[in-house]
Amino acid sequence: NAGVMQNPRHLVRRRGQEARLRCSPMKGHSHVYWYRQLPEEGLKFMVYLQKENIIDESGMPKERFSAEFPKEGPSILRIQQVVRGDSAAYFCASSTGPNNEQFFGPGTRLTVL
Amino acid sequence: DQQVKQNSPSLSVQEGRISILNCDYTNSMFDYFLWYKKYPAEGPTFLISISSIKDKNEDGRFTVFLNKSAKHLSLHIVPSQPGDSAVYFCAASGDGGSNYKLTFGKGTLLTVNP
Repeated sequence: NAGVMQNPRHLVRRRGQEARLRCSPMKGHSHVYWYRQLPEEGLKFMVYLQKENIIDESGMPKERFSAEFPKEGPSILRIQQVVRGDSAAYFCASSTGPNNEQFFGPGTRLTVL
Repeated sequence: DQQVKQNSPSLSVQEGRISILNCDYTNSMFDYFLWYKKYPAEGPTFLISISSIKDKNEDGRFTVFLNKSAKHLSLHIVPSQPGDSAVYFCAASGDGGSNYKLTFGKGTLLTVNP
């Protein structure tokens, strides 16, 4: 009974490169959420997706960031042309419904050099 | 603007004693509150929650108290155990009817000394 899986666990990118973060939800979960934790901060909501649909992306920066949750495969958070300020831990969570408990993955720690 | 505040970055208690972690919020639209526990290199794990229609919820050694008028909640752990040592996050939801959007505090690092 695997939990939420995220990979890679650590990702190092140089400024201007692209970062792709993957999240596989728990079995039976079709709702995925991405959160970002900047250093010394709490987690901040970025985006909520259901299979093939973005439900709420109000917390996601308007430029360079995008997310998808295709019919098959993991959810992807994509950051184009990364900058040092993107360095953070990115957590994915999944649930069986929008009002149900969210189970978090171990996170991906992104470092931008 | 920080809508959920945990003003104590750290707390140290002796094993067997009570741990009290505090949390304040500013958004009166929040109607559901949660506590998460996080170990290093892991994601947050749900611990206990409380709806705004209640003022107390208890689960084993963990009790959460909610004071709506003061916009304050607290997590009590009795008795504290060394395995409770972790970062504890307070979170809230319900703003605009979106229960899925959790707003987190910065966390409190609890250390329980044997």
